[in-house]
Amino acid sequence: NAGVTQTPKFQVLKTGQSMTLQCAQDMNHNSMYWYRQDPGMGLRLIYYSASEGTTDKGEVPNGYNVSRLNKREFSLRLESAAPSQTSVYFCASSEWVYNEQFFGPGTRLTVL
Amino acid sequence: RKEVEQDPGPFNVPEGATVAFNCTYSNSASQSFFWYRQDCRKEPKLLMSVYSSGNEDGRFTAQLNRASQYISLLIRDSKLSDSATYLCAAPSGTYKYIFGTGTRLKVLA
Repeated sequence: NAGVTQTPKFQVLKTGQSMTLQCAQDMNHNSMYWYRQDPGMGLRLIYYSASEGTTDKGEVPNGYNVSRLNKREFSLRLESAAPSQTSVYFCASSEWVYNEQFFGPGTRLTVL
Repeated sequence: RKEVEQDPGPFNVPEGATVAFNCTYSNSASQSFFWYRQDCRKEPKLLMSVYSSGNEDGRFTAQLNRASQYISLLIRDSKLSDSATYLCAAPSGTYKYIFGTGTRLKVLA
């Protein structure tokens, strides 16, 4: 079992470019999450999907969109990247929303 | 008051020492909590769940103090390999779980 996988591992964008971060889990989990982690700020929830077919905003959703493609996959899209979106992005999944979460290895994104 | 607060540290302790971290939370209705370990430039990994009865796993003990609204993590007989950042997570009415900013632990030889 791979657990939670994320692609790409690293990405450099120019301001205004768009990109999609991919996340997949093979644990048959119902809930999936996208976080960003910045120095001194901890993990902040961007969006989550409590179950297949639902998505909800987290603490910092502005500038992002998500798609729960199926039970396994949850993607995060930056439509017009800004330098403030330079961060490490983690995807996570859990059996249900109040269960322990398992994280992917992260995507390091730099926006110039 | 922040929903979840942790002392950022760093806590520098010698090998073999016992060290404890606290994590305060504001949502008094919270029932279950988690401790995660995060190594530099890696993803957080689940260390322990914390419920009302507490939890113990080898050298690690987690406790919940509901009256004072904090959870604690005790590490006994610290190893060099315990050096990491420890994150707590508490339920949030709005966003499901909120993570603390983490406490850095450095175990010194």
